[in-house]
Amino acid sequence: EAQVTQNPRYLITVTGKKLTVTCSQNMNHEYMSWYRQDPGLGLRQIYYSMNVEVTDKGDVPEGYKVSRKEKRNFPLILESPSPNQTSLYFCASSSQKQGTNTEAFFGQGTRLTVV
Amino acid sequence: AQSVTQLDSHVSVSEGTPVLLRCNYSSSYSPSLFWYVQHPNKGLQLLLKYTSAATLVKGINGFEAEFKKSETSFHLTKPSAHMSDAAEYFCGGGPGGYQKVTFGTGTKLQVIP
Repeated sequence: EAQVTQNPRYLITVTGKKLTVTCSQNMNHEYMSWYRQDPGLGLRQIYYSMNVEVTDKGDVPEGYKVSRKEKRNFPLILESPSPNQTSLYFCASSSQKQGTNTEAFFGQGTRLTVV
Repeated sequence: AQSVTQLDSHVSVSEGTPVLLRCNYSSSYSPSLFWYVQHPNKGLQLLLKYTSAATLVKGINGFEAEFKKSETSFHLTKPSAHMSDAAEYFCGGGPGGYQKVTFGTGTKLQVIP
């Protein structure tokens, strides 16, 4: 089954304690991205990756890091989380093959609370 | 620069009546446009997408959307609302492909029995 898997689904942490949210896709997609969803603000892109070792900032990258060492994985790293990073996070992937414009598949989301 | 604006944060309709969720976009490029649906505590599911082929796009669950370049709109419609349509809907757009898809702030659809 084609899917994007995020872990954990729920996380409560304290300010300043480094954390990683993992994202894995089994569709051999080139493109992956991270979004955060906040009430009244919709989905805002944090970072995206066009392929292995190719990443770029989205609209709200401050306070986040990503890496793309393997095609299937795109972890989101919060080096020093702060309460304003409390949010619902989504990972997404899609194919970037020439001539295609396939749908983006989203993970189930990770609800992060930073206290 | 591109932006997507969803004109209504909440829409309430009676079951069996038409649904209209409005989305306007601005883009320097010929855009790709999408509608996603998010049911409570779920991820996002693609309803439909426009990628410069037919301007009237049909999606899943009876939804459709029409790309109107002159109005810079991509409104989502459904002839008859069902209780299961109650969810939050997001309009998104990008310059072609999925590199930097920008989403609107979402529209919560309430369906009244």
